[in-house]
Amino acid sequence: NAGVTQTPKFQVLKTGQSMTLQCAQDMNHEYMSWYRQDPGMGLRLIHYSVGAGITDQGEVPNGYNVSRSTTEDFPLRLLSAAPSQTSVYFCASSYDDSASHEQYFGPGTRLTVT
Amino acid sequence: GNSVTQMEGPVTLSEEAFLTINCTYTATGYPSLFWYVQYPGEGLQLLLKATKADDKGSNKGFEATYRKETTSFHLEKGSVQVSDSAVYFCALSDQSDYKLSFGAGTTVTVRA
Repeated sequence: NAGVTQTPKFQVLKTGQSMTLQCAQDMNHEYMSWYRQDPGMGLRLIHYSVGAGITDQGEVPNGYNVSRSTTEDFPLRLLSAAPSQTSVYFCASSYDDSASHEQYFGPGTRLTVT
Repeated sequence: GNSVTQMEGPVTLSEEAFLTINCTYTATGYPSLFWYVQYPGEGLQLLLKATKADDKGSNKGFEATYRKETTSFHLEKGSVQVSDSAVYFCALSDQSDYKLSFGAGTTVTVRA
């Protein structure tokens, strides 16, 4: 199993550009989520999905869109990038019968918006 | 809502020293508690977890005990190594959903 994979590893955007961060998992996990990591703030939840076709907002959803057409993939779209979206983005997944709701994280995408 | 407060860093230690990172939480109900570790340039890995009061999670020489009476989940290791240098995050999730609430993270540097 590859686990949770993310592409790209690094990206630089200009203000106003759009892009999609890719996330895929091969563990047949129902639950997937996106977090952003900023210094001194830990990780904050952007969007999450409890299964294909179902998505919901987390703590900091503004400026981001998601969709979940398959169990494996959960892309995160930045509609019009802003410098405040400079961050490290992590995708995570979890399986439904995990009593502890343990989550598995991808390696991250470091995004810089200039 | 849920929240996690953990000891601010950075923390710098010598090899074989004792490490404690304090973590306290606020939550409704009975959350699951986690410690995640992030090594330089990598993503987060689960270090240990506990799902109910008085449970002790342990892994790689690290331990943490779920204390409901003090709403705490402090991380400890008796003798740290240089390879333990990383950022450590305390986190919780409600039993009712999968959303994780994280502390701010504590950077630990171990010197040879």
